[in-house]
Amino acid sequence: QSALTQPASVSGSPGQSITISCTGTSSDVGGYNYVSWYQQHPGKAPKLMIYEVSNRPSGVSNRFSGSKSGNTASLTISGLQAEDEADYYCSSYTSSSSLVFGTGTKVTVL
Amino acid sequence: EVQLVESGGGLVQPGRSLRLSCAASGFTFDDYAMHWVRQAPGKGLEWVSGISWNSGSIGYADSVKGRFTISRDNAKNSLYLQMNSLRAEDTALYYCAKDMSDYIWGSYHYWGQGTLVTVSS
Repeated sequence: QSALTQPASVSGSPGQSITISCTGTSSDVGGYNYVSWYQQHPGKAPKLMIYEVSNRPSGVSNRFSGSKSGNTASLTISGLQAEDEADYYCSSYTSSSSLVFGTGTKVTVL
Repeated sequence: EVQLVESGGGLVQPGRSLRLSCAASGFTFDDYAMHWVRQAPGKGLEWVSGISWNSGSIGYADSVKGRFTISRDNAKNSLYLQMNSLRAEDTALYYCAKDMSDYIWGSYHYWGQGTLVTVSS
């Protein structure tokens, strides 16, 4: 159950688009369409932003989108806003019938 | 409104036990899988354990397998985590989370505010 690999930090200016990668293996990200993404502001509980690779829960801005290619999933935030500054985590179901999170990415709005 | 309220955290000595509870409301509890996720101070998220709607499927992280036991009481709309043989590295904020599905696929739709467990002598 090794953590999925994410970049430690990603930054962008307001209005720009950024993409966060989440790399696993064929036993997790590559093998299942149960990849999700979470946003966490300091001192707050995480919030589901994307589920099953590319689906947005009700109430989540359409500026957030998800995709997957092979063993790597991606979260794209378009039209970056100050409120998007937070930590982001990916998660995937695994072949061991367990779950694993990514290492986390700090998004900074310049 | 979905509400998940964790309780049972606190300061405990290494090797001792603790039982966490999560009281759920605002949704049909026995329609959904549930999970425990923890976050050590200043660190990332770590999935601890998950249980399907009818307790038929249960999973654990390798780090807690054999020491922690997850359970649920659908009649009481409650989720539990029995933690035995606690170690310093189990110190974390423990979140209860509701899945979007009845199986432990891991789309954590709603989260509680967490209960803090500190393992120290």
